[in-house]
Amino acid sequence: NAGVMQNPRHLVRRRGQEARLRCSPMKGHSHVYWYRQLPEEGLKFMVYLQKENIIDESGMPKERFSAEFPKEGPSILRIQQVVRGDSAAYFCASSPTGVETGELFFGEGSRLTVL
Amino acid sequence: QKEVEQNSGPLSVPEGAIASLNCTYSDRGSQSFFWYRQYSGKSPELIMSIYSNGDKEDGRFTAQLNKASQYVSLLIRDSQPSDSATYLCAVSGGGGTSYGKLTFGQGTILTVHP
Repeated sequence: NAGVMQNPRHLVRRRGQEARLRCSPMKGHSHVYWYRQLPEEGLKFMVYLQKENIIDESGMPKERFSAEFPKEGPSILRIQQVVRGDSAAYFCASSPTGVETGELFFGEGSRLTVL
Repeated sequence: QKEVEQNSGPLSVPEGAIASLNCTYSDRGSQSFFWYRQYSGKSPELIMSIYSNGDKEDGRFTAQLNKASQYVSLLIRDSQPSDSATYLCAVSGGGGTSYGKLTFGQGTILTVHP
């Protein structure tokens, strides 16, 4: 009974490169959320997706960041032309329903370091 | 003004004591309230949810909600060293926001010393 699976767990990129973070939700969960946690800060909402749809991307930076949750396969958070300020832990969470009535199950996170 | 505010701590309590963690929120239309625990380097884990005014107890944990005061708290009775972690208050369902997201406070670091 696998939980939320994220990979890679650790990723090192140089400035200007691309970072791709993947998230497979728990079995039976169709709602996926991405959060970012900067050092010494709380979790910040980035985007909420259901299969093939972006429901709320109000927390996503306007440039360089994109997210998808295709019909088949994991959800992907893509960061283009990374900068040092992108260094953070990126957590994916899933839920069987919208978070209004349910809890979020978090993955172990992907820790991005930009050199 | 931060949307969800917690004392960052650290809060230090002796083993066996009651730890009291507090949280205030700014959106009066918020409907759902959660406490997550996060050990260092690990993922957040839900420990309590509360939706209506009053107290909700689960084992050693009690969540308290006062919507009029826009205040949520978490009490941990008989604190153990294994309770040492960062506790995150989270809120959802405010007017004009998607139900699909939580707004987290910055977390309170709790240390329980033997």
